[in-house]
Amino acid sequence: GAGVSQSPSNKVTEKGKDVELRCDPISGHTALYWYRQSLGQGLEFLIYFQGNSAPDKSGLPSDRFSAERTGGSVSTLTIQRTQQEDSAVYLCASSLDWTTQYFGPGTRLLVL
Amino acid sequence: GQQVMQIPQYQHVQEGEDFTTYCNSSTTLSNIQWYKQRPGGHPVFLIQLVKSGEVKKQKRLTFQFGEAKKNSSLHITATQTTDVGTYFCAGRMEAGGTSYGKLTFGQGTILTVHP
Repeated sequence: GAGVSQSPSNKVTEKGKDVELRCDPISGHTALYWYRQSLGQGLEFLIYFQGNSAPDKSGLPSDRFSAERTGGSVSTLTIQRTQQEDSAVYLCASSLDWTTQYFGPGTRLLVL
Repeated sequence: GQQVMQIPQYQHVQEGEDFTTYCNSSTTLSNIQWYKQRPGGHPVFLIQLVKSGEVKKQKRLTFQFGEAKKNSSLHITATQTTDVGTYFCAGRMEAGGTSYGKLTFGQGTILTVHP
């Protein structure tokens, strides 16, 4: 089957606008993760889902960030009132068990 | 909270030289994973280590997990230009608690290989 897909691949927005980033995990994968990667930096954990619930939201940078997952499948990461420091690549990964995480291609967000 | 430190941040080698990156966790880990990210690409899983003192090999790559399960290393023998990329370690805390599913990534080591 297909791998993890993310949309949009690129997003340019103006400061103060809201954005929604989508992740379609590999079918059947129960775990889903969101990370943020700034240019030349490592992966910053944001949130993960086990099924539809999010046991650990500790990585969300502020209350402007939220995420949901419905039907144990698609997940949406929403950033409200975007700021320039939100510019980064947002990566989604899914996992069947506690081993391999399969990453999507990412959404490159640029806030002007 | 859990921290995973990785060194060096950058490594430049001549093709044929060896390369090693080291990973240290502030807490004991349940397991550790290694990923490779090619320039412009996304991280790709390489391997997972679970047991204390475990050593695994994949062709020219050798992965080790420390006896205390707090450190790990990746060694590449005789680097090739295809090895170029960023290598990340990622640690998972010991079982139990809501954070078990979370992977904490190191900052990565950027490897460049000069032909």
